[in-house]
Amino acid sequence: GDSVTQMEGPVTLSEEAFLTINCTYTATGYPSLFWYVQYPGEGLQLLLKATKADDKGSNKGFEATYRKETTSFHLEKGSVQVSDSAVYFCALRSGTYKYIFGTGTRLKVLA
Amino acid sequence: DTAVSQTPKYLVTQMGNDKSIKCEQNLGHDTMYWYKQDSKKFLKIMFSYNNKELIINETVPNRFSPKSPDKAHLNLHINSLELGDSAVYFCASSHEMGLASGLGTYEQYFGPGTRLTVT
Repeated sequence: GDSVTQMEGPVTLSEEAFLTINCTYTATGYPSLFWYVQYPGEGLQLLLKATKADDKGSNKGFEATYRKETTSFHLEKGSVQVSDSAVYFCALRSGTYKYIFGTGTRLKVLA
Repeated sequence: DTAVSQTPKYLVTQMGNDKSIKCEQNLGHDTMYWYKQDSKKFLKIMFSYNNKELIINETVPNRFSPKSPDKAHLNLHINSLELGDSAVYFCASSHEMGLASGLGTYEQYFGPGTRLTVT
């Protein structure tokens, strides 16, 4: 079946460091891909999305490119801030109504 | 205005009790979901409703019974609570109709969560 695999955390970085969180997927057809962020004590919020191959989603300095040839959707940010500390979820929309989430990667940014 | 709201935010109860969690969305979406998030942050879908009709019912004990009185509300009732039910429960919504025509936005909007603790 369809699945999402993302790197295990926690990821600990110093402020202004470069961030990459890897995400790969397995799916039939052409899924839509998402990154969600969950801040402590809150629900998930959509961070960015891409709906077809080679699309680049971007928001708040974060970027991810839909790579069909490598079935990947890695999340990147050039310079992280303490306020980016959160849990990040990669997800795909696998057919109507069904969304599959990765296991989440906790990011901790130190001042 | 909160897009997806849940009540209560915290729920502490004893084993064997019956409890309900309520969810409302004011986004005009046609599909709503319940997810369970365990202590390791793993997110598992439980149910999905489209226009008040059950669409997805994952392998969930039948002690869990969702009810959708209208497409803006999806409630979750849990009978005979067990220790293993302790988790954070998230409601979410999305707009699925019209996607074939290129309309619709695909993404889900989540509520703030209900932390259920069973003692």
